[in-house]
Amino acid sequence: GAVVSQHPSRVICKSGTSVKIECRSLDFQATTMFWYRQFPKQSLMLMATSNEGSKATYEQGVEKDKFLINHASLTLSTLTVTSAHPEDSSFYICSARSLGGSGTEAFFGQGTRLTVV
Amino acid sequence: DAKTTQPTSMDCAEGRAANLPCNHSTISGNEYVYWYRQIHSQGPQYIIHGLKNNETNEMASLIITEDRKSSTLILPHATLRDTAVYYCIVRDQGGGAQKLVFGQGTRLTINP
Repeated sequence: GAVVSQHPSRVICKSGTSVKIECRSLDFQATTMFWYRQFPKQSLMLMATSNEGSKATYEQGVEKDKFLINHASLTLSTLTVTSAHPEDSSFYICSARSLGGSGTEAFFGQGTRLTVV
Repeated sequence: DAKTTQPTSMDCAEGRAANLPCNHSTISGNEYVYWYRQIHSQGPQYIIHGLKNNETNEMASLIITEDRKSSTLILPHATLRDTAVYYCIVRDQGGGAQKLVFGQGTRLTINP
């Protein structure tokens, strides 16, 4: 399957600082990428849809000024957690869709574990 | 909201077939059924998807009932590495952002 790479895989930051997470589609172009957040023992929660060359679409309850998304190219989307606080500690996962066959499968990055101290 | 219902957890013996059910009684005609799994602390992995015909690939088989209101994912010879949370998702293929909305999934444990 197609490869989606996230970086970093783990990050620890101090409260009040900002953290940037990168999501790259390595062997295909992705006009749309998705960002999820997952708390321990819970399912993935969609945060926003990242569209190349336009503003991201945020899900209800997700603060767009806190979670800045930039999708500047067809292979890269970034999520910046601004002024991070301990409650932002979570597992952040991106996905990108690859066209193929009879459907359009979405492929996921390996996730980024953010710990805010 | 997720449009599927799955059992919270299941157990299966290593080497046996694991059959994971999913109910999607409100599925519409142009929605596909997707299955993903998530091994602890990793991103979800695509397994298989289908519309109305049964599908098989190197990982699993997908059996969709004739009325399309339910489906079963079959792992023919489960191994310990198949222990994971399995998500059944329905998604429209046309229009919009085609986002995947995850439910709670089934936590499958393969026992030696």
